[in-house]
Amino acid sequence: QVQLVQSGAEVKKPGASVKVSCKASGYTFTSYYIHWVRQAPGQGLEWMGIINPSDGSTNYAQKFQGRVTMTRDTSTSTVYMELSSLRSEDTAVYYCARRRYRSGVIDYWGQGTLVSVSS
Amino acid sequence: AIQLTQSPSSLSASVGDRVTITCRASQGISSALAWYQQKPGKPPKLLISDASSLESGVPSRFSGSGSGTDFTLTISSLQPEDFATFYCQQFNNYPYTFGQGTKLEIK
Repeated sequence: QVQLVQSGAEVKKPGASVKVSCKASGYTFTSYYIHWVRQAPGQGLEWMGIINPSDGSTNYAQKFQGRVTMTRDTSTSTVYMELSSLRSEDTAVYYCARRRYRSGVIDYWGQGTLVSVSS
Repeated sequence: AIQLTQSPSSLSASVGDRVTITCRASQGISSALAWYQQKPGKPPKLLISDASSLESGVPSRFSGSGSGTDFTLTISSLQPEDFATFYCQQFNNYPYTFGQGTKLEIK
């Protein structure tokens, strides 16, 4: 069965960076794009960007350009999202999520990773 | 970026009610719209893809319609397990934006 398993919760100080991992299983890793979506406490969903695990190409929301980097490791079927220059407003649950083949919808989600940014 | 505006932002309804949530896009997106349901502490769940295609396993009381800029999600007869927050998402263009959400509460 398709699974996306994310790394554990993180606590960071303002100005630091965080790197969240998302390990995929149950399907051909390189055939499905992976989205990253975040959700601040009590707020809505915010799309951050997407990576093609086949060639590593990415598309980032303009809001995060210059601060976010999405990468992948095909040997371990893992994608990573690194966010730098953290501020308190980046406190959120970060989700990785699989894009359905030849569609933009999200059909499977990771369990979420809480990143807390506080001095 | 394409903006999605959902209405209402919150809604109180009773079991058995018929409920409609709308999602308006700031520019035409054809049928490239999905609806998700999210319960507290859980990731969202895909209900509807391509504006009107019901996902496998989703009860038939859920339906979606629309194209272009105006879309609706309808729940024909609310069940206790339906109370949650609903989001629309467009995938016509990057960035793949979400609506702000509609919280459906029990009256």
